[in-house]
Amino acid sequence: DPKIIQKPKYLVAVTGSEKILICEQYLGHNAMYWYRQSAKKPLEFMFSYSYQKLMDNQTASSRFQPQSSKKNHLDLQITALKPDDSATYFCASSQDWGDAETLYFGSGTRLTVL
Amino acid sequence: GDSVTQTEGQVALSEEDFLTIHCNYSASGYPALFWYVQYPGEGPQFLFRASRDKEKGSSRGFEATYNKETTSFHLQKASVQESDSAVYYCALGDGATGGNNKLTFGQGTVLSVIP
Repeated sequence: DPKIIQKPKYLVAVTGSEKILICEQYLGHNAMYWYRQSAKKPLEFMFSYSYQKLMDNQTASSRFQPQSSKKNHLDLQITALKPDDSATYFCASSQDWGDAETLYFGSGTRLTVL
Repeated sequence: GDSVTQTEGQVALSEEDFLTIHCNYSASGYPALFWYVQYPGEGPQFLFRASRDKEKGSSRGFEATYNKETTSFHLQKASVQESDSAVYYCALGDGATGGNNKLTFGQGTVLSVIP
């Protein structure tokens, strides 16, 4: 059974549109994260949540908004999409906030913005 | 800010060859250092960590030693197998409030092992 489900696996969007990336984890973890990996940059931290509370935000743009409806859900809403947003977005979770040894990544959503 | 540099972008070896992937970091204090591995179509997976100078981390035959003097955490394996083909990432933790909430990753090294 998949431990972290990310949907969709591939996503194509047009500039200026809005998309939501879905993430659900079934590991019973208390913390969830978003990372981004683009062609030009290494894997880059975006957000962290603990018990549905935002703990850290390293994303400069307000166009990126995480949404946590349940402890095991952390979706990512991206508005006013730009070609530079093209990347693979990884959702991750860990047993507790900051517990990098139990950090588990999903397989990612590859977003292409035309 | 913190940064991690992996010297090799790609490494090609034959089975049973010795592997070294170089990792150097820039950060204040004593950040925790990590190695992650990513197989095709999957997210990165935790391999091992080290938190103190001269501490050795290891897993699945891979090892690295934390070196504060040279700010390095080089990954080594004595005898690679085809199944080791993957992307390897060195990372450091921010150590916020005692944990490692935010990891800073290197660019990754693609390892290809030819049978």
